[in-house]
Amino acid sequence: TAGITQAPTSQILAAGRSMTLRCTQDMRHNAMYWYRQDLGLGLRLIHYSNTAGTTGKGEVPDGYSVSRANTDDFPLTLASAVPSQTSVYFCASSTDHPGEQYFGPGTRLTVT
Amino acid sequence: EDQVTQSPEALRLQEGESSSLNCSYTVSGLRGLFWYRQDPGKGPEFLFTLYSAGEEKEKERLKATLTKKESFLHITAPKPEDSATYLCAVQARTGGFKTIFGAGTRLFVKA
Repeated sequence: TAGITQAPTSQILAAGRSMTLRCTQDMRHNAMYWYRQDLGLGLRLIHYSNTAGTTGKGEVPDGYSVSRANTDDFPLTLASAVPSQTSVYFCASSTDHPGEQYFGPGTRLTVT
Repeated sequence: EDQVTQSPEALRLQEGESSSLNCSYTVSGLRGLFWYRQDPGKGPEFLFTLYSAGEEKEKERLKATLTKKESFLHITAPKPEDSATYLCAVQARTGGFKTIFGAGTRLFVKA
């Protein structure tokens, strides 16, 4: 199985433009997550979803929005990108009970 | 506020030199503590989940332990292929599946 896929792999985006990072999982996990990873700061949770139809805010939600229309997809949207959103973005999923998260390969985003 | 602090930031070992990585946490009711390994340019890979103080888990040269305030990842006789960043994370009983990660410990094992 593919596990979690993310697209694009990398992107250079002009400040002020919008962009959607895609994330798809084929494991039928209920919970999904979006993180950003910056040097020295580790992984910081942006938004999460306990199950399809619900979303929640993480540590750093400002400037980002998510939706969870179905179990498999969890897109992350930047409505108007700013340079501080330059980062590596990881999507992850997990089963219902506390357990391991499966991570995608990441999207490297540069906002100029 | 839930918080995870990992130390040291970086650790350099000779092959075969055992050591431990520390993860201190503050959480309002621990649901689970997790250890991950991350190689450069890749997403984190799950290693262990610990649920309650006193619990231990082992996998090859790695052993994770948990107390009420911290967790240790013990590395016995490491090899160069153990070089990676090791991440600790916690989930609280409240807040659904919200997960807080530490900044990680970068481990370098020299042959």
